[in-house]
Parts: sequence; C-alpha cells; structure tokens
Amino acid sequence: NAGVMQNPRHLVRRRGQEARLRCSPMKGHSHVYWYRQLPEEGLKFMVYLQKENIIDESGMPKERFSAEFPKEGPSILRIQQVVRGDSAAYFCASSPTVHGAEQPQHFGDGTRLSIL
Amino acid sequence: GESVGLHLPTLSVQEGDNSIINCAYSNSASDYFIWYKQESGKGPQFIIDIRSNMDKRQGQRVTVLLNKTVKHLSLQIAATQPGDSAVYFCAEIHNTNAGKSTFGDGTTLTVKP
Repeated sequence: NAGVMQNPRHLVRRRGQEARLRCSPMKGHSHVYWYRQLPEEGLKFMVYLQKENIIDESGMPKERFSAEFPKEGPSILRIQQVVRGDSAAYFCASSPTVHGAEQPQHFGDGTRLSIL
Repeated sequence: GESVGLHLPTLSVQEGDNSIINCAYSNSASDYFIWYKQESGKGPQFIIDIRSNMDKRQGQRVTVLLNKTVKHLSLQIAATQPGDSAVYFCAEIHNTNAGKSTFGDGTTLTVKP
C-alpha cells in the first residue's frame, strides 16, 4: 500500500526557469495539500485541493505559483520564473476526506528545490 | 493572528530518560492539535493528536497534554530511544479552516546513548 509519492525528490533550476512538482496521493485519497518548508522552520500551508477544485489557496503567493489536481493523474505544483527565494522543501499530503479532527494527513517525503 | 510556537529549539536527553517537548499556541479557537515527527530527508510522520475538549491522550510510549488555560501543549516520550532522534512539530487546526494545519517551528530532539 504505497504512501504519498512525490517526484522528483530533488530538483535544480536556474533563475527564471519553471519548476513542476508532482504528487500522487495515497490510493483512495481525493484531498491533497501542499506545504513549503524553509531550513530549520516548520511547514507553511500553501494550498488545499480536491479533485479538479482548489478549496483553499490562502497560503499561495499571488504570482508565479499555481496548483492543480486533475481528474486523472497527480497533483502538480507549478512555479514559474523561479527565484532564489523559492529554494525550499515542498511537501504534499493527502487524506481520504477533509483533514481535521481524527482525520490526519499523510505526508510524502518532499521535493527539495534548489535555485541556482 | 494564528501562530504556533515551541519553547526550545533543541533538546538533548539520555537514552532511557523521558523527554518532554513543549508547544505554545495563540489561537484559543483551535479545535485540534497534532504532533509530528520528522526525520532527516523525510516528510512529517503523525505521532498523536488531541481534540480541544480533552486534556490528555496516551499512545504507545507517548502522551500529549493540553492546557487550554495557558494555551500550552506538550508531548511526553517515555524511555526515549535513539530512534526517537528527530525534529518534532506541533500543529493546530481550526475547524473553520479545515484542511489547513498551522505548524510550529520544531524542536530537535537528540538522544545520547
């Protein structure tokens, strides 16, 4: 029973390029969450998606960042025109229903994005 | 605004001792609290959770205590083992923001053999 799968595990981009991060939730999970973690800090919520819908994007930067979770295939976090400040670990989590009391999220092992 | 913080960034204990990791939160309307363990290069791993209407919850070797009066949460690990070395995060959820966990900055636990 595979857990949340994220790829790539490591991604290197030059300033101005695009970064695409993929997340395949656990089987049977239709709720996906993206978080960003800077070194020696906690995870910061970015966006919550359900199949084909963005439920809460209150943590997403207004520009350059977008997320989708299509009917088929993985969830994608897309960062356009990357800058050095985008360097971080990006974690995806999933749950079968909305994350809340006694409905924990299951996290993947993250994508470490480095911007040269 | 919401914030979740930890009292100490690092904690070092001897193998076999008990560990106590503390967390303070500011949102008195938080409904649910979670402790996570994160090992190097891995994602957060759920340890134990507690609803806001409870004071204490026990798991295997772990206990979470919630003091709503002073908005304080603690994680107690009994008989700490080298495998417990990791960064520990507390997180909170408010039901009106269901789906969104707010994390503290973490405490690094080091277990000395």
